[in-house]
Amino acid sequence: GQQLNQSPQSMFIQEGEDVSMNCTSSSIFNTWLWYKQDPGEGPVLLIALYKAGELTSNGRLTAQFGITRKDSFLNISASIPSDVGIYFCAGQRPGTYKYIFGTGTRLKVLA
Amino acid sequence: DVKVTQSSRYLVKRTGEKVFLECVQDMDHENMFWYRQDPGLGLRLIYFSYDVKMKEKGDIPEGYSVSREKKERFSLILESASTNQTSMYLCASSTRGLPGELFFGEGSRLTVL
Repeated sequence: GQQLNQSPQSMFIQEGEDVSMNCTSSSIFNTWLWYKQDPGEGPVLLIALYKAGELTSNGRLTAQFGITRKDSFLNISASIPSDVGIYFCAGQRPGTYKYIFGTGTRLKVLA
Repeated sequence: DVKVTQSSRYLVKRTGEKVFLECVQDMDHENMFWYRQDPGLGLRLIYFSYDVKMKEKGDIPEGYSVSREKKERFSLILESASTNQTSMYLCASSTRGLPGELFFGEGSRLTVL
């Protein structure tokens, strides 16, 4: 199946630093979702975006729906050790109930 | 809080056994999904259901079947388990309306020996 391009694949950061990751596609989407997944657990929905240009926050997390509708960005400010995990995006194309998922960004936070 | 519950977190089965994975959601969602997740391959859609008794094949339906007799319950069946079906299985649900948020269960880790 198709996967969205997500970068970076992995990153080590110092506690307190800000983190940015993004997903890109050659197709347009009408929904972007961002998830965090801990090892052995199911993905947990962090942020949902529904309109081009939309900027939404959830605590220290901020996500944006790209203007072209082909990309989305997630920022984590002032990272803490519990931010460790895999983050991935999901896009939903217009007129379909199906979702396409990003390849994931593995985040490791150094205390 | 929204809740998608998968009946078994960890299962170990033998090749050829029939395996049932159960999923229940309490959000009155119309759409339910079964995915498998493997390292390097990401999430792949096995089957999708948009209503009771309705189902649609996903990207990798071979070796699997599903049952949706009630709105809140979606079952994944492996008729004859094989070692290449060792994986993490994730159930998810969403509302019928577009666009929609997709909520996942905690996952079922299946090992086939």
